[in-house]
Amino acid sequence: AQKITQTQPGMFVQEKEAVTLDCTYDTSDQSYGLFWYKQPSSGEMIFLIYQGSYDEQNATEGRYSLNFQKARKSANLVISASQLGDSAMYFCAMRGTTISNFGNEKLTFGTGTRLTIIP
Amino acid sequence: EAEVAQSPRYKITEKSQAVAFWCDPISGHATLYWYRQILGQGPELLVQFQDESVVDDSQLPKDRFSAERLKGVDSTLKIQPAELGDSAMYLCASSPAITGTSGTHNEQFFGPGTRLTVL
Repeated sequence: AQKITQTQPGMFVQEKEAVTLDCTYDTSDQSYGLFWYKQPSSGEMIFLIYQGSYDEQNATEGRYSLNFQKARKSANLVISASQLGDSAMYFCAMRGTTISNFGNEKLTFGTGTRLTIIP
Repeated sequence: EAEVAQSPRYKITEKSQAVAFWCDPISGHATLYWYRQILGQGPELLVQFQDESVVDDSQLPKDRFSAERLKGVDSTLKIQPAELGDSAMYLCASSPAITGTSGTHNEQFFGPGTRLTVL
């Protein structure tokens, strides 16, 4: 079984500051993928960044980077130079191995962190 | 830019009534997902289709929920009869292929969701 834990229900950050959103995971799979999604108040889930368990480099996508610490089973999202438009819910998610369970692409989500950017 | 379409966006119904939700994935995406998101929680997978075949419906309450993707393109999720506890956001997502076969991390693209309220 897979589990995602996001321990920060809400965060308030000053505009232009960097923010780190925490995510820890639990899995017995050797191969897995970690995703971060943003959910604005409108409801749709927007893909931000992906990290594979065998990726040696931390993933980066523009202002988003993923601080991946495999031994600690953590995959924290870092947003640099926060903007007002970053205010939203942020979800960490995991996809387990597709080697032994070929074709099953199920994502397991955490409970999310509500980020509010203060002008 | 291609998007996942869902309708209706909002649905209010009384308990014991039947409801149906429709999803049209991004053109060419073979894999389609239905997730349920209860207020304050992360999405939970209900069913995954690969083309017209069900890959995973282990979390679908089959006594009242049904899902189909007859021609391997659009999909319908039905609830009959609806119960108060079914009030939630129903999200549809699609992805290009299966992880490992497309050379990408196969992220899931989400639609705007259908917000269901059962009275």
